[in-house]
Amino acid sequence: DAGVIQSPRHEVTEMGQEVTLRCKPISGHDYLFWYRQTMMRGLELLIYFNNNVPIDDSGMPEDRFSAKMPNASFSTLKIQPSEPRDSAVYFCASSDPGRGLNEQFFGPGTRLTVL
Amino acid sequence: ELKVEQNPLFLSMQEGKNYTIYCNYSTTSDRLYWYRQDPGKSLESLFVLLSNGAVKQEGRLMASLDTKARLSTLHITAAVHDLSATYFCGAGGTSYGKLTFGQGTILTVHP
Repeated sequence: DAGVIQSPRHEVTEMGQEVTLRCKPISGHDYLFWYRQTMMRGLELLIYFNNNVPIDDSGMPEDRFSAKMPNASFSTLKIQPSEPRDSAVYFCASSDPGRGLNEQFFGPGTRLTVL
Repeated sequence: ELKVEQNPLFLSMQEGKNYTIYCNYSTTSDRLYWYRQDPGKSLESLFVLLSNGAVKQEGRLMASLDTKARLSTLHITAAVHDLSATYFCGAGGTSYGKLTFGQGTILTVHP
């Protein structure tokens, strides 16, 4: 299996622009998680999905952030409009709790820089 | 609400020495995970601990779980430079699927 795939790996944009981050979970995994990592705040869970349905979005910082999962193999995290304080590494992870270990597998991350 | 705290947050070790990283969590959890993150990289799963008294070992790292004390430890034996990384613990609590992670422990091993 290719693991969790994220794109782009790096994104540099200007304040006010729309940013879309993409994630393809491991095939067969029914949970998908979006995290944000910064030096100041550490690793934060933004939102997670089960069977394509958002379960908990309490970590989404503002209405500027939105996430969708239109099917089992694709999810997006959108920031509109972006701000410099959104600069961070965004990780997507997936898991399959039904298999017992409930281990989360992380993608390589997208490093976002908002100028 | 489940809270996970790691101690210490920064650890500077000499090669060859032993040390332990502690992970405390605030509510019942029967699952505890340890991850490693190298600088600029993603998180990689190290250990999965699923029951009280569980112990897992891989090379110079050994992880254990005491669910009664709500404590997991990651013990490092005879540290080597290659172990330098950030280590995260994550607890499942009672939430199926979701993990709550600690702040991470930045480990630096010096010659």
